[in-house]
Amino acid sequence: DAGVTQSPTHLIKTRGQQVTLRCSPKSGHDTVSWYQQALGQGPQFIFQYYEEEERQRGNFPDRFSGHQFPNYSSELNVNALLLGDSALYLCASSLASGNTIYFGEGSWLTVV
Amino acid sequence: ILNVEQSPQSLHVQEGDSTNFTCSFPSSNFYALHWYRWETAKSPEALFVMTLNGDEKKKGRISATLNTKEGYSYLYIKGSQPEDSATYLCAFDSNYQLIWGAGTKLIIKP
Repeated sequence: DAGVTQSPTHLIKTRGQQVTLRCSPKSGHDTVSWYQQALGQGPQFIFQYYEEEERQRGNFPDRFSGHQFPNYSSELNVNALLLGDSALYLCASSLASGNTIYFGEGSWLTVV
Repeated sequence: ILNVEQSPQSLHVQEGDSTNFTCSFPSSNFYALHWYRWETAKSPEALFVMTLNGDEKKKGRISATLNTKEGYSYLYIKGSQPEDSATYLCAFDSNYQLIWGAGTKLIIKP
């Protein structure tokens, strides 16, 4: 049983560009959340998707958008990249709140 | 703004000693409290999901307690081993959203 898988693992983008990160949840999980983790900080919640809809959103600008597909996989899109967007982006899946959440290994984004 | 505080930020412990650290979280809108262990270059590993006030959970040498009324949880490690070196993160679950602490970095000295 594959856990949460994310792609790409590493990427470098230029300021102003757009990036798409992908996540496949653990088998059977219907809820996907995205987190940004900067160096030395805990993960910051970006948003959560359930049944193809954004259910909750953290304090991130509209440049951050997402999508969930019928197979529960998800994408995180970031437009007009800034240097400060450089971070580890984690995807996590679960069945519902209050249950164990499983993380992917993350996508390292560097904006130059 | 909901805030989760973990203390200390980092901790050096002699191998064989026991240790503990704290997670403080809002006492309202509580749904669950999660503890995770995160080793460098690996995915965070779930340790406990705690939902009931007064709950105590144990996994090998690691245990955790929960006080939802005063908004804190303790994580205990008994007889620290080198493999316990990691960052321990807690997350406050208010339903739909997890709010994470910055973690306690634990370093075990042989």
